[in-house]
Amino acid sequence: DAKTTQPTSMDCAEGRAANLPCNHSTISGNEYVYWYRQIHSQGPQYIIHGLKNNETNEMASLIITEDRKSSTLILPHATLRDTAVYYCIVRPTNSGNTPLVFGKGTRLSVIA
Amino acid sequence: GAVVSQHPSWVICKSGTSVKIECRSLDFQATTMFWYRQFPKQSLMLMATSNEGSKATYEQGVEKDKFLINHASLTLSTLTVTSAHPEDSSFYICSARDSGESYNEQFFGPGTRLTVL
Repeated sequence: DAKTTQPTSMDCAEGRAANLPCNHSTISGNEYVYWYRQIHSQGPQYIIHGLKNNETNEMASLIITEDRKSSTLILPHATLRDTAVYYCIVRPTNSGNTPLVFGKGTRLSVIA
Repeated sequence: GAVVSQHPSWVICKSGTSVKIECRSLDFQATTMFWYRQFPKQSLMLMATSNEGSKATYEQGVEKDKFLINHASLTLSTLTVTSAHPEDSSFYICSARDSGESYNEQFFGPGTRLTVL
């Protein structure tokens, strides 16, 4: 079972920041928050992950609330190529061979 | 980053035939690979976990005799859809975990679209 809640869909104007929320109120202390995205007819692509602190890489920023019950993925300057389904996933740090379990995700549409 | 490939990228077959899909980790070794299936407008659904040198572990509701998985080497897993029917038409995606990395990142292939006529 996916342990996260995300809005079904969102729109964002091209060039603006896209802020994608995720609720994970039952997250435990040893679970990371992962974000993947899936562009139409492609395999999922890793974006970013974090445990407690905010994280930033070349693709996005991840803001995790202090109580860790929610997070926001930020695409600072969305382009049309960022149109995709974005998945927020929680999984233990010592996940071993446990596979990623995908929920329904958020369908982000970037509009020109 | 680590690369996972799939072959073929798409395939059309007649009902009753078998189709083999290959999943390769190109620049790392993977003792564990995963197979997912995705129907239109739905999320990815885990089908099975493929372990090198041993039998695959199937999720509930997935027929192991219909979806044959072979993980014969550390870089190759195959999924064979036997006696395919139109309801097996789907997007099949494999994923691999780098055995040499401690953080257990999971990398995905580009997917294979199967259409059964």
